[in-house]
Amino acid sequence: GAGVSQSPSNKVTEKGKDVELRCDPISGHTALYWYRQSLGQGLEFLIYFQGNSAPDKSGLPSDRFSAERTGGSVSTLTIQRTQQEDSAVYLCASKDKLATRETQYFGPGTRLLVL
Amino acid sequence: AQSVAQPEDQVNVAEGNPLTVKCTYSVSGNPYLFWYVQYPNRGLQFLLKYITGDNLVKGSYGFEAEFNKSQTSFHLKKPSALVSDSALYFCAVRDTDDYKLSFGAGTTVTVRA
Repeated sequence: GAGVSQSPSNKVTEKGKDVELRCDPISGHTALYWYRQSLGQGLEFLIYFQGNSAPDKSGLPSDRFSAERTGGSVSTLTIQRTQQEDSAVYLCASKDKLATRETQYFGPGTRLLVL
Repeated sequence: AQSVAQPEDQVNVAEGNPLTVKCTYSVSGNPYLFWYVQYPNRGLQFLLKYITGDNLVKGSYGFEAEFNKSQTSFHLKKPSALVSDSALYFCAVRDTDDYKLSFGAGTTVTVRA
């Protein structure tokens, strides 16, 4: 079946501009995660959505970052007034909520470059 | 709190030789452990996981990992490495009371022909 998809695959923007990154999770998956992978570093948790519950935003690095998930499916990560340090690969993952299906499945990522 | 350590930034092996990528973890409760692989310009692909049961877990592409509770380790192994196994490998852990994965910094594996 279809996996997690993300768009755009690459984004180049100028410092100070806003960007929107999109994630389409696997159909039926109720949990959705955003991570950031900076050059030479591991994955940093950003935000977590589970069904209709309030999202866990504890990983967002600043108030310039926000995310929403409409209709319990598609999610958009928005970065306002981008800075050069925001350059990274932004990865989305989804997971079935059932306890026995613990695996997070990742999309291909969006490579963001802020000039 | 939960954390993962991958002590080796790089692992280099010859094709056909055994491959081991090390991972140790720290959790408050019982761990859920995962290995993912990332090929250049690609997302993370799931390899295998330990939730409960047998300590030796078999996964995709001939990889396996052994959960060792006393040593808090979950090393990834492959008996005979292939050049195509060259990639970046991530170990991840989740405490049973948490829903977020904590990832190690990653280990770059290079398999030479």
